[in-house]
Amino acid sequence: AQKVTQAQTEISVVEKEDVTLDCVYETRDTTYYLFWYKQPPSGELVFLIRRNSFDEQNEISGRYSWNFQKSTSSFNFTITASQVVDSAVYFCALILLTGANSKLTFGKGITLSVRP
Amino acid sequence: KAGVTQTPRYLIKTRGQQVTLSCSPISGHRSVSWYQQTPGQGLQFLFEYFSETQRNKGNFPGRFSGRQFSNSRSEMNVSTLELGDSALYLCASSHKRTSEYQETQYFGPGTRLLVL
Repeated sequence: AQKVTQAQTEISVVEKEDVTLDCVYETRDTTYYLFWYKQPPSGELVFLIRRNSFDEQNEISGRYSWNFQKSTSSFNFTITASQVVDSAVYFCALILLTGANSKLTFGKGITLSVRP
Repeated sequence: KAGVTQTPRYLIKTRGQQVTLSCSPISGHRSVSWYQQTPGQGLQFLFEYFSETQRNKGNFPGRFSGRQFSNSRSEMNVSTLELGDSALYLCASSHKRTSEYQETQYFGPGTRLLVL
């Protein structure tokens, strides 16, 4: 069975601070996808990034960056120079790449509050 | 391309009633998954439909059922509603080519169900 742990439950920062959201996962499979989703107050889960278990390259997209380390089973997300619009709940998730099980396993989510 | 749409957005029902929620996937997507989100349990997988067939089912009672139509639109039905069914129900679609290979799931805005 798969498991995703987001140990931080709530983080509060002041605008322009950098913030890192942690994600640790467990799976016995070697092929899987990892995801980060953002959930603003409206409720919709917005897809941010997908990482293949074979690809440990870090990724940067504007103010967002992701650090994937298989050795520690972690997939951390950093927001640089945070903005008020970044306030949301952020979920890390895992799905096995192949097989009949299409269930996304989510962490409990991290509530990020960015104060002006 | 239009995103995933869900109707209705809000619903109030009383215990014992039944409810049907609708989801229209992104054009071309053949897979539709349903998730329940509650403060206590987080995001939990309900079931997935691919090409009009249920491929996976989460750990929910038989009161929760669904179906998918030939145009990939999906409906979810909950019979004999209980107070604990109050939740945000999220639908996600993905561009899976076959049922065995996973792709990114894109979520709709959700239906907020309140059971009184």
